[in-house]
Amino acid sequence: DGGITQSPKYLFRKEGQNVTLSCEQNLNHDAMYWYRQDPGQGLRLIYYSQIVNDFQKGDIAEGYSVSREKKESFPLTVTSAQKNPTAFYLCASSMVGRSSYEQYFGPGTRLTVT
Amino acid sequence: LAKTTQPISMDSYEGQEVNITCSHNNIATNDYITWYQQFPSQGPRFIIQGYKTKVTNEVASLFIPADRKSSTLSLPRVSLSDTAVYYCLVGEKDSNYQLIWGAGTKLIIKP
Repeated sequence: DGGITQSPKYLFRKEGQNVTLSCEQNLNHDAMYWYRQDPGQGLRLIYYSQIVNDFQKGDIAEGYSVSREKKESFPLTVTSAQKNPTAFYLCASSMVGRSSYEQYFGPGTRLTVT
Repeated sequence: LAKTTQPISMDSYEGQEVNITCSHNNIATNDYITWYQQFPSQGPRFIIQGYKTKVTNEVASLFIPADRKSSTLSLPRVSLSDTAVYYCLVGEKDSNYQLIWGAGTKLIIKP
């Protein structure tokens, strides 16, 4: 059963702690993305990767870090430098090029930092 | 830079046809215009994409005029389950597939 998984679904952390969100896909997609969504708002791109061991900053990369050591995995770390980390985080994957318009999304991780 | 504009919200009734328009300028000349649907607390789901004129699939139609400065998602005979947020996705002109998401249109279907 192909798809993209994110874990955990809900995550609670204390302010000042780093936290890593997991994203795994078995769709054999080259590209993977991380988005942030705040209540009632649209999608904002944090980071994306089009190939293993390479990634690019999106529009709101400050306070976040990623790695792409395997094609299937693209974990996102929310660092203590991120001023307002509480949000809904969505991971997506796609093929590259023109196929990048058709992205497959995971179920999301809702992060709450207090 | 490419810019998209969508209505913030729309209301309609069950059984009606709903049209949601996204205005976009400075978009990639030869790339897709794509639409997604998102339910609360879920990831967006691909609905339809097109390059020009009209595209139809089992759930929606997409109309794109020749100047590609807008696109209209058409949902035929909506039901309550079509209540969701709908996003357009376009590419930045002269970029290497730098994608721009619309802000989303919240569609509410009433009985």
